[in-house]
Amino acid sequence: ETGVTQTPRHLVMGMTNKKSLKCEQHLGHNAMYWYKQSAKKPLELMFVYNFKEQTENNSVPSRFSPECPNSSHLFLHLHTLQPEDSALYLCASSQPSGNTDTQYFGPGTRLTVL
Amino acid sequence: AQTVTQSQPEMSVQEAETVTLSCTYDTSESDYYLFWYKQPPSRQMILVIRQEAYKQQNATENRFSVNFQKAAKSFSLKISDSQLGDAAMYFCAYSPRGGSEKLVFGKGTKLTVNP
Repeated sequence: ETGVTQTPRHLVMGMTNKKSLKCEQHLGHNAMYWYKQSAKKPLELMFVYNFKEQTENNSVPSRFSPECPNSSHLFLHLHTLQPEDSALYLCASSQPSGNTDTQYFGPGTRLTVL
Repeated sequence: AQTVTQSQPEMSVQEAETVTLSCTYDTSESDYYLFWYKQPPSRQMILVIRQEAYKQQNATENRFSVNFQKAAKSFSLKISDSQLGDAAMYFCAYSPRGGSEKLVFGKGTKLTVNP
């Protein structure tokens, strides 16, 4: 596979469920990102990992828990979510200190919280 | 703080015609990158074109070109010979050089291509 992949593509969960989103990048990048995309709102950066270390947490509620076991994999663990958390969750990767400063995105996971 | 503004929530164009999407941004940095991303109904955010602020020459990728006006902080996207597959949300984005984690997006412009 090439680029950035995300699984699952669709997820429906109840407010008491625990689920995880997975992202994998095959680009040799060292930075990975989680974004939330809600209708009629700009993309919201949630978390940034650089060389497996979390460098940004944009005041994200603790019911979202990221995990980056290595530079190629990023997870977003979800528990006790609210209906307003329903959105498209996008993962991206980039090569920091590179000359292009370009983020490449995965196809997203459409999350619905009932 | 850096901001990116796309003033056109929706645009439409006839197939084979040309359309221009507007974007303005605000920054105090002198060196940065500007991007246009395309998000079709499949939801994959795809990089369309990238401009480096220190380059005066406007970037071009096949039918896509930009008009970069640094002093005016304007970065418009021109799509020539529009095709049905160009229909998508288009997002303008900014990041400072060396700060890809600080990528800031506009709210997007929905482009419809009419046959």
